[in-house]
Amino acid sequence: GENVEQHPSTLSVQEGDSAVIKCTYSDSASNYFPWYKQELGKRPQLIIDIRSNVGEKKDQRIAVTLNKTAKHFSLHITETQPEDSAVYFCAARPLNSGYSTLTFGKGTMLLVSP
Amino acid sequence: DTEVTQTPKHLVMGMTNKKSLKCEQHMGHRAMYWYKQKAKKPPELMFVYSYEKLSINESVPSRFSPECPNSSLLNLHLHALQPEDSALYLCASSQDMRQGASYNEQFFGPGTRLTVL
Repeated sequence: GENVEQHPSTLSVQEGDSAVIKCTYSDSASNYFPWYKQELGKRPQLIIDIRSNVGEKKDQRIAVTLNKTAKHFSLHITETQPEDSAVYFCAARPLNSGYSTLTFGKGTMLLVSP
Repeated sequence: DTEVTQTPKHLVMGMTNKKSLKCEQHMGHRAMYWYKQKAKKPPELMFVYSYEKLSINESVPSRFSPECPNSSLLNLHLHALQPEDSALYLCASSQDMRQGASYNEQFFGPGTRLTVL
């Protein structure tokens, strides 16, 4: 099945800096890659996603890039703010013979210091 | 309504108790999911219902019993749980999940924090 590796496990940045979180996946048939942000005690919230037919997608300070050949995708957060502090999970959605579900990475705890 | 709701928010139960977790969505989604999440870990898929039929059971112990009474509701019945079952139980829904369907964002509920004593 699909395997998603996520790095780093912890990332500390100063407010205003950029943050990059990277994920690799194993199943070349995966075609949908969402990123979730989970604040302490809250639900995972979808913040951005990318389909396999595009290489980059931006939404204000957040961007995701996808390299299908290398089977990796990355989350980029610019001008980080303390409220960006959370755990971020990447995921991949493989297409198998029947139903497809999300396979999550292990998460990255992002800490943004004022 | 663009939310997934879950009740209760917190639940404490003994190992001999029977309890149920409830999940509801009114977005017309036809796929609903139960996940278990331990602290500092990603959500771990337990069950998936598609069009009110159980489609995926990720080898979950029988002390967890899912039920989908209709397209808006999803229950998780709990019986004879173990302390290691203590976790955040998340419900999620998506428009569809069959192969070939359009890409499906999964929307999560706030979760039920379960403690088994």
